[in-house]
Amino acid sequence: DGGITQSPKYLFRKEGQNVTLSCEQNLNHDAMYWYRQDPGQGLRLIYYSQIVNDFQKGDIAEGYSVSREKKESFPLTVTSAQKNPTAFYLCASSGQHNQPQHFGDGTRLSIL
Amino acid sequence: KQEVTQIPAALSVPEGENLVLNCSFTDSAIYNLQWFRQDPGKGLTSLLLIQSSQREQTSGRLNASLDKSSGRSTLYIAASQPGDSATYLCAVRGWDSNYQLIWGAGTKLIIKP
Repeated sequence: DGGITQSPKYLFRKEGQNVTLSCEQNLNHDAMYWYRQDPGQGLRLIYYSQIVNDFQKGDIAEGYSVSREKKESFPLTVTSAQKNPTAFYLCASSGQHNQPQHFGDGTRLSIL
Repeated sequence: KQEVTQIPAALSVPEGENLVLNCSFTDSAIYNLQWFRQDPGKGLTSLLLIQSSQREQTSGRLNASLDKSSGRSTLYIAASQPGDSATYLCAVRGWDSNYQLIWGAGTKLIIKP
């Protein structure tokens, strides 16, 4: 079955530590996205990539970094510069702009 | 700047009722509008996508309508079931900002058996 796989499901970060969230898709989609979800708020876009080796900042990119070396993979690193990283992180992918986005099951990041 | 609002934030109805969820947006120049469902602790599942040239889309017991002139979309759920309990989010895609989605905060729906 085609889909998006996010790992790990739960992640704990120590102060001063960088952590990386994995996102893999086998839908052959060109575009991939990272969102942050906080309770009671809509999804906020962190980074997106429309093609391999290219990505753009979203609304809340500070303290985060990404890479897009392969079409299937779009990992997100939460750096120590992100002072409030506790949230639910969602990865998505899509084909053309007139097609819906498909989502993974998310990674919940907490601070130790 | 596009803003998307979903009211109410939470809704509880008895099983079997027909219900309507609302989504409003401030800029009528949209590319499409999507409705998603999110179960607790899970990712989002796409329910319906309405292109800007369309007025409605249907899938099973779900019907979504779009009125760009008034900046509104509704998601109609017929004969609600306990399994419909979830958070429903709408998102608007504009013609600018590289076609990014602008999200509402969602309506948490509880269907009481």
